[in-house]
Amino acid sequence: EAQVTQNPRYLITVTGKKLTVTCSQNMNHEYMSWYRQDPGLGLRQIYYSMNVEVTDKGDVPEGYKVSRKEKRNFPLILESPSPNQTSLYFCASSIGTLYEQYFGPGTRLTVT
Amino acid sequence: AQSVAQPEDQVNVAEGNPLTVKCTYSVSGNPYLFWYVQYPNRGLQFLLKYITGDNLVKGSYGFEAEFNKSQTSFHLKKPSALVSDSALYFCVVSGGYQKVTFGTGTKLQVIP
Repeated sequence: EAQVTQNPRYLITVTGKKLTVTCSQNMNHEYMSWYRQDPGLGLRQIYYSMNVEVTDKGDVPEGYKVSRKEKRNFPLILESPSPNQTSLYFCASSIGTLYEQYFGPGTRLTVT
Repeated sequence: AQSVAQPEDQVNVAEGNPLTVKCTYSVSGNPYLFWYVQYPNRGLQFLLKYITGDNLVKGSYGFEAEFNKSQTSFHLKKPSALVSDSALYFCVVSGGYQKVTFGTGTKLQVIP
């Protein structure tokens, strides 16, 4: 089954404690992206990747890092989380930006 | 910079009536436009897209959208609303430069 998986689905952590949210897709897609969803703001793109070792900033990259060492995986790293990063995070993949994106189930992160 | 506006936070429509969810966009170059739907406690699903060609595009679940270049709009429509259509709808634009921009979302409430 074609899918995008994210782990963990729920995470409560404290300010400053480094964390990683994993994302994996099994569709051999080149384009992958991370978004955060906040009420009234829609989804905002954090980082995206066109292919292995090719990543670029989206609209809200501050406080986040990503890496793309393998085509299927695109982890999101918060080196020093802060409460304003409390949000619902989605990973997505697609063939490219002209094609539909497939979304993961989301990760609800709370930073206290 | 590209942007998307969804002017209505919420749209209420009676079951069986036609529905319209509005979207306007701004992008340099050719616009690539998408609609996604998010059902409660579920991920996002692709509905339809406009890349080129006919201004009226048809998508999943009986939805369609009309691309209007002069008005820079891409309104989502359905001839007869169902209660099960109640969800959060996002208009999305890509200028083809890898970045993707979501609108803030419109909550559709179909009243039985």
